[in-house]
Amino acid sequence: RKEVEQDPGPFNVPEGATVAFNCTYSNSASQSFFWYRQDCRKEPKLLMSVYSSGNEDGRFTAQLNRASQYISLLIRDSKLSDSATYLCVVNRKSGNQFYFGTGTSLTVIP
Amino acid sequence: DVKVTQSSRYLVKRTGEKVFLECVQDMDHENMFWYRQDPGLGLRLIYFSYDVKMKEKGDIPEGYSVSREKKERFSLILESASTNQTSMYLCASSLRFSPLHFGNGTRLTVT
Repeated sequence: RKEVEQDPGPFNVPEGATVAFNCTYSNSASQSFFWYRQDCRKEPKLLMSVYSSGNEDGRFTAQLNRASQYISLLIRDSKLSDSATYLCVVNRKSGNQFYFGTGTSLTVIP
Repeated sequence: DVKVTQSSRYLVKRTGEKVFLECVQDMDHENMFWYRQDPGLGLRLIYFSYDVKMKEKGDIPEGYSVSREKKERFSLILESASTNQTSMYLCASSLRFSPLHFGNGTRLTVT
């Protein structure tokens, strides 16, 4: 079983829509959780860390469910510029091993 | 702001050549990583280092070696480049339990 699993999509949504991505992780020892955004042929960039109580940054909301071992990302009022691949990343208790999902592709359509 | 700098954006090498990819970070991070990214396979860890002169194999270390002589610099070496090492190589650094910060990648083509 993969450490981190994501639905690869693609998700094609109209501008202004709300879209949600889920990601499951297999190891209960996972400690830290992140969402990254990757544009085509560019490096991944940190979108947001995911905290136990859930957190919000503008139109983006991240949630963590430790009992079910998944994290989610909600994007409200989608913009054309949100089109990218979104990577789920998990870090173990050791602190220096990161595990990546294969990414979920999002295209926001005018 | 953290800056991770990779020495080359694009590189073309011949089969059998020894290839050096350099990575420098400016935030005193103890952890440094080398990944490769291929379509459909996601990011795969080649090697990582959690301190100067320390290194650990990742998931796909075969055909690669690394060097970390100074805290800020982590080099990836392809001992004898092969066509199946054509890929996007990404260097990253982090503090423990903190997010990864990536360099802008080196797109290597081996012909």
